Amino acid sequence: GESVGLHLPTLSVQEGDNSIINCAYSNSASDYFIWYKQESGKGPQFIIDIRSNMDKRQGQRVTVLLNKTVKHLSLQIAATQPGDSAVYFCAESIYGNKLVFGAGTILRVKS
Amino acid sequence: EAGVVQSPRYKIIEKKQPVAFWCNPISGHNTLYWYLQNLGQGPELLIRYENEEAVDDSQLPKDRFSAERLKGVDSTLKIQPAELGDSAVYLCASSDYLAGNTQYFGPGTRLTVL
Repeated sequence: GESVGLHLPTLSVQEGDNSIINCAYSNSASDYFIWYKQESGKGPQFIIDIRSNMDKRQGQRVTVLLNKTVKHLSLQIAATQPGDSAVYFCAESIYGNKLVFGAGTILRVKS
Repeated sequence: EAGVVQSPRYKIIEKKQPVAFWCNPISGHNTLYWYLQNLGQGPELLIRYENEEAVDDSQLPKDRFSAERLKGVDSTLKIQPAELGDSAVYLCASSDYLAGNTQYFGPGTRLTVL
């Protein structure tokens, strides 16, 4: 997949606002999608996942939307908090094997 | 429940030296993965184990990288000899194939090759 190297896209939001992070995936055969949050110096942390037989899944303050027609995935974070500041990665796979990660998006939450 | 454990957390070596990383997966997880993460990029799979068998090592540079998971639990990843371009974070993840196969990551080992 493509890589943007050090120049990751950045989303800046005000504390309390909702955040939407978008991701385009590449393989139409992928049937499992997952969002990870990665803070500086830490490994990726599981947020939420979704299988291809669904188009929406909700967790605590987070919602993932899947549009298979245009191969698009989004992560919505409600009432964004300073602790949500991190790099967010989407990943695609076939039944969870060999995750292929997207380039990542930096989320900055302003207090 | 303990997460994925990795050691060391940081390693600085000179080029051409060997280096090894260790991973202890989540208890009961039969699948173990090693990923490489370069700065500003997403992780890339190096090798995947199902129990003690390496079922996908197509992305592992076998001229200098090797891995083992002898008893189907802990795993080591070795580089010999290390090159400057190997500087990166090496992540280990594990999953339970029978419980949805969600991969959980360890904190990683940051390798710096001088």
